[in-house]
Formats: sequence, C-alpha cells, structure tokens
Amino acid sequence: GESVGLHLPTLSVQEGDNSIINCAYSNSASDYFIWYKQESGKGPQFIIDIRSNMDKRQGQRVTVLLNKTVKHLSLQIAATQPGDSAVYFCAENIRQQGAQKLVFGQGTRLTINP
Amino acid sequence: NAGVTQTPKFRILKIGQSMTLQCTQDMNHNYMYWYRQDPGMGLKLIYYSVGAGITDKGEVPNGYNVSRSTTEDFPLRLELAAPSQTSVYFCASSLYGDRGNYGYTFGSGTRLTVV
Repeated sequence: GESVGLHLPTLSVQEGDNSIINCAYSNSASDYFIWYKQESGKGPQFIIDIRSNMDKRQGQRVTVLLNKTVKHLSLQIAATQPGDSAVYFCAENIRQQGAQKLVFGQGTRLTINP
Repeated sequence: NAGVTQTPKFRILKIGQSMTLQCTQDMNHNYMYWYRQDPGMGLKLIYYSVGAGITDKGEVPNGYNVSRSTTEDFPLRLELAAPSQTSVYFCASSLYGDRGNYGYTFGSGTRLTVV
C-alpha cells in the first residue's frame, strides 16, 4: 500500500553540528518528494523538494538525497541552529489514475542542544 | 496573493453538531486538499479535488463531505461531530500541469475540538 515512513522518530544534535533525517517510501509511482518543517502550532513549511529524475538537490544549508533503488530519501541540515528545532516530514507525490496526491510520513522531531 | 486561507482558526463543537471548515485559495491552483493531523502524527488526507466539480476520497474520508463548486473554494463539512474528529485540519492547494507538480501551499490550519 501507500506509505512513507521515517527511520528515527526523534533526533537530538548539538548546535553547529550537521543533522540527517531519513525517510523510506514504498510507492514506485511517486514522482516528486518534498521535505516540510513544522513548528508547534503552525502548518507545514516547505523546505526543499526533489523530482524523481534527480538524486540530489541543494538549498541553503539543506540537501535532499534521493535513492530510488532502495526507495530512500534523506534531508541533511548543515550547521544546525536553534531555529531548526521542529518536526520534519517527508512527503511523496503519488500519481494515480490521472490524479495526484501528497502522502506524508509520521515525522521526526529534531532538537538542537546548545 | 493571500495564498491558502482557512477559517475559523479554532472551534469547539459539541458531539452531534455540524460545521463547515472554509478554505479559499487565490493562486488559481487546480488541485485542493484537506488533511487532518492528530497529535504527534503526520498529515492524513481526507478528501481532494482535481478541479471544480470533481472530488475524491483520500485515506480517512469517513465522517466528512466536501464540495468544489469553484476553483477558489473547497469547504469541508462535518455533519455529526464525534470526539474522534478532534484534530488540526489543514487545507492545501497545488498546481499540476504538463510539466508535473509545481508545489503545494498549505493554510495555517483549523484546530477543532469535539466535546
């Protein structure tokens, strides 16, 4: 069935360190993947996306890696800051029967320690 | 552009009451979605729409209804509120064209409590 899951539900890192959040997906029909950041009481905030014809994409302090062979997605955050503390979700865009929909994973809570 | 606007932001309902959660977007997006998010969980798709007049069920549609009479509006209706519908509801929209998806935009959410 459709599922997007995360290997680690919580992650604590020291301020300034790099963090890696992992995600597994199961639907081969997914053509687009998005990482979202969600702070308490707010809606999902777009971080970075990647299409299925790419294996790496970089943004400001963030990098997304896509491994279609093992259906794995990761988000790397460089030089973490206190403001990076949040829950991070991966989501996959699934195209089925002419329509598309976004399926979310459970999320990983990232805590930045001073 | 205001993006995706949801109203109300908060609401408390009694069991058995009904209400409509409003969602409007001004980006001329063809797709619109309703998600619910329970504490500590990811977002679950309730209903979605690929365009005006067309709606379809998502993962958790039971207890909800939707309509899409215009491109801009996608209201979510709860007919007989139950405690299990206590959640945060997010509306989203996206533009999907010949080149694929151009990204999703989310509203700020409606926090609903059923008592």
